[in-house]
Amino acid sequence: DVKVTQSSRYLVKRTGEKVFLECVQDMDHENMFWYRQDPGLGLRLIYFSYDVKMKEKGDIPEGYSVSREKKERFSLILESASTNQTSMYLCASTLGGSSGNTIYFGEGSWLTVV
Amino acid sequence: TQLLEQSPQFLSIQEGENLTVYCNSSSVFSSLQWYRQEPGEGPVLLVTVVTGGEVKKLKRLTFQFGDARKDSSLHITAAQPGDTGLYLCAGDLYYGGSQGNLIFGKGTKLSVKP
Repeated sequence: DVKVTQSSRYLVKRTGEKVFLECVQDMDHENMFWYRQDPGLGLRLIYFSYDVKMKEKGDIPEGYSVSREKKERFSLILESASTNQTSMYLCASTLGGSSGNTIYFGEGSWLTVV
Repeated sequence: TQLLEQSPQFLSIQEGENLTVYCNSSSVFSSLQWYRQEPGEGPVLLVTVVTGGEVKKLKRLTFQFGDARKDSSLHITAAQPGDTGLYLCAGDLYYGGSQGNLIFGKGTKLSVKP
C-alpha cells in the first residue's frame, strides 16, 4: 500500500514564526502536492512538484514556499505564519504519467497560528 | 475554470436509508476517484472509475461513471452510522504529458443517525 506520512499532526505556532511541514511518500511517486482544506472551501492546491527540485504554483501559493530535494520528500514552508494560515494541510502523491493519477493523501497536519 | 460540482453539500439520514451523492462537470475526465474522509484524518481512496458507463461496487457502495465521463454518482444502500464522514470526488483531466490535473468537488458531509 502507498504510504504518505506527514511528520506533524498538530502544531500551534505564533504569528511571524517560520513553519515547516514535512511529507514523505514511500512508493517512488513522481508527483507530490500540498493542499489546504477549509470548511466550505474544499481542497485548495498550494503547490505541486512533478520532479526533484521542480515546483509549480497551485491556486493559492501566496505566503507559502516548497522544497523537493529528494523524490520521496516534499516540504511546505510558511516563511512568516499568519492567523489566516490556520488550517488543515494535506500532502498527497501520485505515480504520474500515463499510469494514472490516483491521488493518495497523508493523514493531515492541523496548524493553528495564534 | 474547470469545476466539479458535488451535491448535496450536507446529508443527514437515519440508519437503513439509501442515499446518492452526485458529482457533475462540463469537463471530460480520464478517470474519477471517490474518497471518504473522517474528522481529523486525510481522505482515503474508495474507488477509481475509468471507463464511461463503468459501475463498481464496494459492499453497500455503488459507484457509477457517466457514459460521457463528465459525471459520477455514489449510491449507499442501507446506510450505517459507520458511513458517516465527508465524501469527496476528484476528476483527473490527464490526457497526456508528465502530470495530470486533478480537480476536487467540495465534498458531501454525510451523517447517519442510529
